[in-house]
Amino acid sequence: GAGVSQSPSNKVTEKGKDVELRCDPISGHTALYWYRQRLGQGLEFLIYFQGNSAPDKSGLPSDRFSAERTGESVSTLTIQRTQQEDSAVYLCASSSNSRTHIRVSMKVETQYFGPGTRLLVL
Amino acid sequence: GIQVEQSPPDLILQEGANSTLRCNFSDSVNNLQWFHQNPWGQLINLFYIPSGTKQNGRLSATTVATERYSLLYISSSQTTDSGVYFCAVDLLSNFGNEKLTFGTGTRLTIIP
Repeated sequence: GAGVSQSPSNKVTEKGKDVELRCDPISGHTALYWYRQRLGQGLEFLIYFQGNSAPDKSGLPSDRFSAERTGESVSTLTIQRTQQEDSAVYLCASSSNSRTHIRVSMKVETQYFGPGTRLLVL
Repeated sequence: GIQVEQSPPDLILQEGANSTLRCNFSDSVNNLQWFHQNPWGQLINLFYIPSGTKQNGRLSATTVATERYSLLYISSSQTTDSGVYFCAVDLLSNFGNEKLTFGTGTRLTIIP
């Protein structure tokens, strides 16, 4: 597609329920990122996928959060047993970062963001 | 961790005015991007500018990497320029994890 797409665009759920958010990156982009934006604040990094490397999960706020990515395509972010403080906009981004050899060369490219999923936990 | 500070936090201008938004960061960076978040929440890439100067229409940006700051210039402001402007950086020392660290943003309101 032309850009990063995310679904659903809005999600209202009850406290304690699980939710699954989906991201379709730009075709050919090897890197995929999830961020969270609380109301009136900047974006917080959650997790990063780069090609076939192990994902960097250092930004996940608790073990209720997990994410998967199939190859270099779709990613899903799952939040289990949702809490009211999970209410936020969840944004996905992709880029065409390339790495020729770890710690030798990395070409970092622009990150392109999707429209986000607005999650409200009641 | 890295500090990314943006100023001013809020800016209200008359249509047609010029403005300068500033981003200070506390460490060497591998990537610096400016984004505009429109009132519908969409993040729009403005510039990828880890160093140097770029221009795109009424917008231009300059990053002085050695002094750890970047400036975004908006000339002849229009009401459609309203929204929040974010600076985001990726640390050079962060090799292997190219996550962006965002500033808290500058909220720009252009009055007709």
